[in-house]
Amino acid sequence: DAGVIQSPRHEVTEMGQEVTLRCKPISGHDYLFWYRQTMMRGLELLIYFNNNVPIDDSGMPEDRFSAKMPNASFSTLKIQPSEPRDSAVYFCASSHRGLTEAFFGQGTRLTVV
Amino acid sequence: RKEVEQDPGPFNVPEGATVAFNCTYSNSASQSFFWYRQDCRKEPKLLMSVYSSGNEDGRFTAQLNRASQYISLLIRDSKLSDSATYLCVVSPVNNNNDMRFGAGTRLTVKP
Repeated sequence: DAGVIQSPRHEVTEMGQEVTLRCKPISGHDYLFWYRQTMMRGLELLIYFNNNVPIDDSGMPEDRFSAKMPNASFSTLKIQPSEPRDSAVYFCASSHRGLTEAFFGQGTRLTVV
Repeated sequence: RKEVEQDPGPFNVPEGATVAFNCTYSNSASQSFFWYRQDCRKEPKLLMSVYSSGNEDGRFTAQLNRASQYISLLIRDSKLSDSATYLCVVSPVNNNNDMRFGAGTRLTVKP
């Protein structure tokens, strides 16, 4: 398996633009997580899904952020409109219930200017 | 108070040294505990789980103190390749479906 795949790896966009981050979890994993990492706040859980259903989105910072998981092999995190304070590395991770390890993608480094 | 707190460091130690990191958590109902390792500009990867009785994996030893709500990681005979950020992870239920990460402790091992 190729592991968790995220795209794009890097994104530079202007303030006010819409940004869409994509994630393909490991096949067979039924949990998917979106995290954001900054120097100031560390790694923050934004939202997680179980069997494509959002379970906890309490970490989503505000209404500008939305996440979807239309099927077991794809998820998106959208920011609209983007702001400079959204600049961070966004990680997607997946896991299988009963296992102790969450596998992370390589992350998307987002810069909003 | 943050759910999971760690000393950010940095810890700068010579090769061969023994170094220990602590991590405290606020949710007394937490059930699962882990240490992840993150190299510079890379994704976090599982280093080891932390069991109630403590556990060892080669040069790495993890301990859990439920009464004081902290976990620790001890690295013996540190290597240059141990240089990384070590993330403490706590889950409130008995699986990893809602993992909360500490901000990480940065370790640099020098020749």
